[in-house]
Amino acid sequence: DVVMTQSPLSLPVTLGQPASISCRSSQSLVHSDGNTYLNWFQQRPGQSPRRLIYKVSNRDSGVPDRFSGSGSGTDFTLKISRVEAEDVGVYYCMQGTHWPLTFGGGTKVEIK
Amino acid sequence: EVQLVESGGVVVQPGGSLRLSCAASGFTFDDYAMHWVRQAPGKGLEWVSLISWDGGSTYYADSVKGRFTISRDNSKNSLYLQMNSLRAEDTALYYCAKDAMLDYWGQGTLVTVSS
Repeated sequence: DVVMTQSPLSLPVTLGQPASISCRSSQSLVHSDGNTYLNWFQQRPGQSPRRLIYKVSNRDSGVPDRFSGSGSGTDFTLKISRVEAEDVGVYYCMQGTHWPLTFGGGTKVEIK
Repeated sequence: EVQLVESGGVVVQPGGSLRLSCAASGFTFDDYAMHWVRQAPGKGLEWVSLISWDGGSTYYADSVKGRFTISRDNSKNSLYLQMNSLRAEDTALYYCAKDAMLDYWGQGTLVTVSS
């Protein structure tokens, strides 16, 4: 199975400051169809996961533009340009290129 | 508005069986593959199973293969997960999610396997 490794595990951030989460896969996530199926999800406390980003860098409808995704191959990053209080929660990357689908262990974003 | 509502989660003894349901609305159900994903208490997300739009193809995590069966009834806009030979480690909040790339999730239903 493809192992997804996120860092850091915990990310204390000052309101208004940027934040960055890394996600590394044990194999390239480039599919034979040319796409890279790497998603990012946000799970606020007590809520269901919500997809933020699909195929590395495509923001879902309604997702603030302070969220951005980048990367290629095995290295991916989720960036929040200016953290707001509502961004507190756990963030997960997920690969959909190889079976089975696998998630990273999660990064907990909290306010300092 | 896309809505996914899971139900069927209860407390069940080890070795027991359970059927989860997910009622879908707000989109053309039979256009989309559907997933089950679970989350053990205080833990991360674990993909469980996927079914194609027509039910013709199904996929399972190794941890549930041979014990769980995913199915759907497109006439009822419903997704199901039949869970047999349940173990303590199956205790989790079970989510259904829409589309191959999991664009919408339900609120989850809690399955507790305990004697």
